[in-house]
Amino acid sequence: AQSVTQLGSHVSVSEGALVLLRCNYSSSVPPYLFWYVQYPNQGLQLLLKYTSAATLVKGINGFEAEFKKSETSFHLTKPSAHMSDAAEYFCAVTGFQKLVFGTGTRLLVSP
Amino acid sequence: GAVVSQHPSWVICKSGTSVKIECRSLDFQATTMFWYRQFPKQSLMLMATSNEGSKATYEQGVEKDKFLINHASLTLSTLTVTSAHPEDSSFYICSALAGVEYNEQFFGPGTRLTVL
Repeated sequence: AQSVTQLGSHVSVSEGALVLLRCNYSSSVPPYLFWYVQYPNQGLQLLLKYTSAATLVKGINGFEAEFKKSETSFHLTKPSAHMSDAAEYFCAVTGFQKLVFGTGTRLLVSP
Repeated sequence: GAVVSQHPSWVICKSGTSVKIECRSLDFQATTMFWYRQFPKQSLMLMATSNEGSKATYEQGVEKDKFLINHASLTLSTLTVTSAHPEDSSFYICSALAGVEYNEQFFGPGTRLTVL
């Protein structure tokens, strides 16, 4: 069965600092992986997805993620945090016509 | 990108009443839609998979008689919470399957249900 683990329920950074949100996956088949962002009282917005075409995936709002099979990881990064990046971030792996979500990481950005 | 809408965005109802939530794919056809439930500060929990023209597939532990799902067209799925109780208060989010190959889903903005 597919699963993802997000390390750290909260991550705090200063504005302008590097953002690193960790996600490790477990999958019995080559995975498709996603990062979503959720702002308060809103649905989920797709940031980026890995579909085996390239290991370094660039998404919206300056985010990118690198698929590392040897580490079973798909960490999300952004070189310079903005205040508007403060939100909940979910990593997800595709199962059989289903998405399996991690528990989420809340990103806090301080001025 | 593909747009999914939900209506209403929030609803308050009395205990014992039923509430219907609509999920629409606005610019694409979705043969499969999903309904999720999210408790405060928690992740999304898949409740059921809704397939156009057939019965929904419910996840283990989800009461199908309480959470009625109808997917009558390629752009509309509805979730009806029957005889709602305070413990049903939650944030309900739907999504539509836009890409079968990668299981890419587009999400609605969610519906906040409060049962008094």
